Amino acid sequence: GENVEQHPSTLSVQEGDSAVIKCTYSDSASNYFPWYKQELGKRPQLIIDIRSNVGEKKDQRIAVTLNKTAKHFSLHITETQPEDSAVYFCAVDSGGSNYKLTFGKGTLLTVNP
Amino acid sequence: DADVTQTPRNRITKTGKRIMLECSQTKGHDRMYWYRQDPGLGLRLIYYSFDVKDINKGEISDGYSVSRQAQAKFSLSLESAIPNQTALYFCATSSLETQYFGPGTRLLVL
Repeated sequence: GENVEQHPSTLSVQEGDSAVIKCTYSDSASNYFPWYKQELGKRPQLIIDIRSNVGEKKDQRIAVTLNKTAKHFSLHITETQPEDSAVYFCAVDSGGSNYKLTFGKGTLLTVNP
Repeated sequence: DADVTQTPRNRITKTGKRIMLECSQTKGHDRMYWYRQDPGLGLRLIYYSFDVKDINKGEISDGYSVSRQAQAKFSLSLESAIPNQTALYFCATSSLETQYFGPGTRLLVL
């Protein structure tokens, strides 16, 4: 099955700094790469996603880059704010029309004021 | 996000008891999923269903069973609960790739 590695497991930054979280995956058939944010006590919510025909996607302060050849993708958060503090999960689909996701183990991001 | 609901939100049960967690959605999605979340382990797929007649095992299905009663309802059962099934359980739905999660059920097995 798909293997998704996510690093780092914890990340602490100062407010205003950038944060980068990386994921690698094993299945070259994967085509869909979402990122979810989970605030304390809340459900995971999609914040950005990218498909394999695109190398980069941005939405205000967040961006995702994808290197399909190397099988890795990254989440970039610029100008971090305390409300960005949360657990972030990457995920990878199983390819085709299955749409089954395999999640990384998560990164706890703490933004210090 | 009230479109995906889970009941109960919290449950304490004893080893050996049967327990059912329920998920309902008003999004009209065909696909539904059950995950468990444990600290440091992320979200692991237990079962998934792509329509009422389709049920599939995920990576950690042992000790669990599911029922898809209707397009909008997907239930997860623990036939004989054990302490290592203590976890946070999430239901999710999707029409295509994007999955939408319910609020979660926190289960404690004593």
